[in-house]
Amino acid sequence: DAGITQSPRHKVTETGTPVTLRCHQTENHRYMYWYRQDPGHGLRLIHYSYGVKDTDKGEVSDGYSVSRSKTEDFLLTLESATSSQTSVYFCAISESYPRTYEQYFGPGTRLTVT
Amino acid sequence: AQSVTQPDIHITVSEGASLELRCNYSYGATPYLFWYVQSPGQGLQLLLKYFSGDTLVQGIKGFEAEFKRSQSSFNLRKPSVHWSDAAEYFCAVAGTLEAGNNRKLIWGLGTSLAVNP
Repeated sequence: DAGITQSPRHKVTETGTPVTLRCHQTENHRYMYWYRQDPGHGLRLIHYSYGVKDTDKGEVSDGYSVSRSKTEDFLLTLESATSSQTSVYFCAISESYPRTYEQYFGPGTRLTVT
Repeated sequence: AQSVTQPDIHITVSEGASLELRCNYSYGATPYLFWYVQSPGQGLQLLLKYFSGDTLVQGIKGFEAEFKRSQSSFNLRKPSVHWSDAAEYFCAVAGTLEAGNNRKLIWGLGTSLAVNP
């Protein structure tokens, strides 16, 4: 299994508070992704990174920011959490082309915003 | 726009029966195609992939999938299902630069598989 950890695994927070989720990899893979998974919506890409300090938006990036200061860590920040951001968040990693699209997933973080 | 369709939201099969999960994609050239599986409470795991060559690809856990260009399909099959195969299955296609999806996977919404004993 790819070495990917996510922390915390579970979090309950209040509306309006900032929240930071961490993804840590030990594989030295170039690409890192943040997804959210919601019933009926499948997996939706929030942000991704193609290198240290190189990030780009996905399809549902509003209300989220990311940072990647080291190869191994990719942080997702909810600037001011809302109830609509209650979800399960997955981090994924992948190598450089041609294996860019073979993504390996972390165990997920279940976030509840009350 | 690129898209992936999994027509069956939920499927129930009996243990030992054969299984086929359907996946259709929209894309003009030869796609890179994937199937992932998600067991309850877990992250996703890559089952198999198609890049080129033989259109029948083998994956882990006894699964296989067949790429059919004429039907824009990449259906997942297993000859005999085990109770442990109960999970959510996702089909995905590699995004293209032309469609503005470079470096991204385009996901289907998933098919939930239940296995009766």
